[in-house]
Amino acid sequence: EDQVTQSPEALRLQEGESSSLNCSYTVSGLRGLFWYRQDPGKGPEFLFTLYSAGEEKEKERLKATLTKKESFLHITAPKPEDSATYLCAVRAGGTSYGKLTFGQGTILTVHP
Amino acid sequence: NAGVTQTPKFRVLKTGQSMTLLCAQDMNHEYMYWYRQDPGMGLRLIHYSVGEGTTAKGEVPDGYNVSRLKKQNFLLGLESAAPSQTSVYFCASSLDAGNTIYFGEGSWLTVV
Repeated sequence: EDQVTQSPEALRLQEGESSSLNCSYTVSGLRGLFWYRQDPGKGPEFLFTLYSAGEEKEKERLKATLTKKESFLHITAPKPEDSATYLCAVRAGGTSYGKLTFGQGTILTVHP
Repeated sequence: NAGVTQTPKFRVLKTGQSMTLLCAQDMNHEYMYWYRQDPGMGLRLIHYSVGEGTTAKGEVPDGYNVSRLKKQNFLLGLESAAPSQTSVYFCASSLDAGNTIYFGEGSWLTVV
């Protein structure tokens, strides 16, 4: 069974204090690891897809990396507007309908 | 850029009542999904569709029915609502099984 575990559950940072969010996964044949951002009262917003170990992607202050067992979302010099819940999800090989298995998310709060 | 649109956004139902959530996407996507999001449980797949006229069960299908009569629409029905169906429901779509899944803004359902 595919599993995704995110840590920490919640993270409080001061503005400018860089940190990382972790996503550990077990999946039979990874066909993509996805990062989403979710603001309160909104739907998940797509950030990145990573497909193979060693791959990295960046967007503004966010950088996602992937190993064979986990992914990290690095946040450099965060701002209050980066506060949100960050969701990690995996797509397994062998599924014919593209199902995503989600972790429970990390709630990030950035204080000014 | 409408993307994925859900209606209604909020609804309160009495136990035993029925209702339908409507999802519409304007991206010409083949695949559509209904997820529910509950505290501590993450996003879980209820039903999905791989094309017009097709539907299939996801992880938590009991108590729900779906229909995909038109490619752009995916309806989620509750025939006899139960308090356990109090949740936030998200519709999503993707071009195919290998592409990014895009989410709607969510529908908040309370069953009393």
